[in-house]
Amino acid sequence: AQKVTQAQTEISVVEKEDVTLDCVYETRDTTYYLFWYKQPPSGELVFLIRRNSFDEQNEISGRYSWNFQKSTSSFNFTITASQVVDSAVYFCALSEVNRDDKIIFGKGTRLHILP
Amino acid sequence: EAGVVQSPRYKIIEKKQPVAFWCNPISGHNTLYWYLQNLGQGPELLIRYENEEAVDDSQLPKDRFSAERLKGVDSTLKIQPAELGDSAVYLCASSQTSGGRTDTQYFGPGTRLTVL
Repeated sequence: AQKVTQAQTEISVVEKEDVTLDCVYETRDTTYYLFWYKQPPSGELVFLIRRNSFDEQNEISGRYSWNFQKSTSSFNFTITASQVVDSAVYFCALSEVNRDDKIIFGKGTRLHILP
Repeated sequence: EAGVVQSPRYKIIEKKQPVAFWCNPISGHNTLYWYLQNLGQGPELLIRYENEEAVDDSQLPKDRFSAERLKGVDSTLKIQPAELGDSAVYLCASSQTSGGRTDTQYFGPGTRLTVL
């Protein structure tokens, strides 16, 4: 079965702190993609990253980094030196090649960065 | 490059009234999606189009929901009649599909529907 679990419903940190958002997924397929999207108060889902199942290299983009570990079925997202503009709901998602790349989203983690 | 455009951004209607949402995808994207997002939840797919063809509408409540993408570009999602439980955000997304593989989906700002 396809499933994405974001156990952290809501997180609050003070500006400049580092924060990690957890994502655990379930899939029976060997070929799949993992995603992170950001949804600020304006409502638009902003694409952050897509990672395929054969690429376990960690990714860094500015203050954002992602840790993909197939052994634990996790795809965690870390924001370093958080800023108030990082406040948003963050969604982890999974798509499987054998399911026509249909995306299944987690329930999201609401992140509050306090000034 | 313009992103996915949706209108209206907000809509308030009384129950049993009809409502329609419009989406214009990113130029060149042949695949278009409509998603429903309830409060505190992730988006859930309602329908997926590849060009003019609805290739996945298994989650679309066909008794009251309908969608069309007549020329393979813009799309309209309609609810008739609306019910209280339809209050949610309706998101449109687009992507490029070729050779049976789909690229990353990009989302519009959504339409927030309130049914009174």
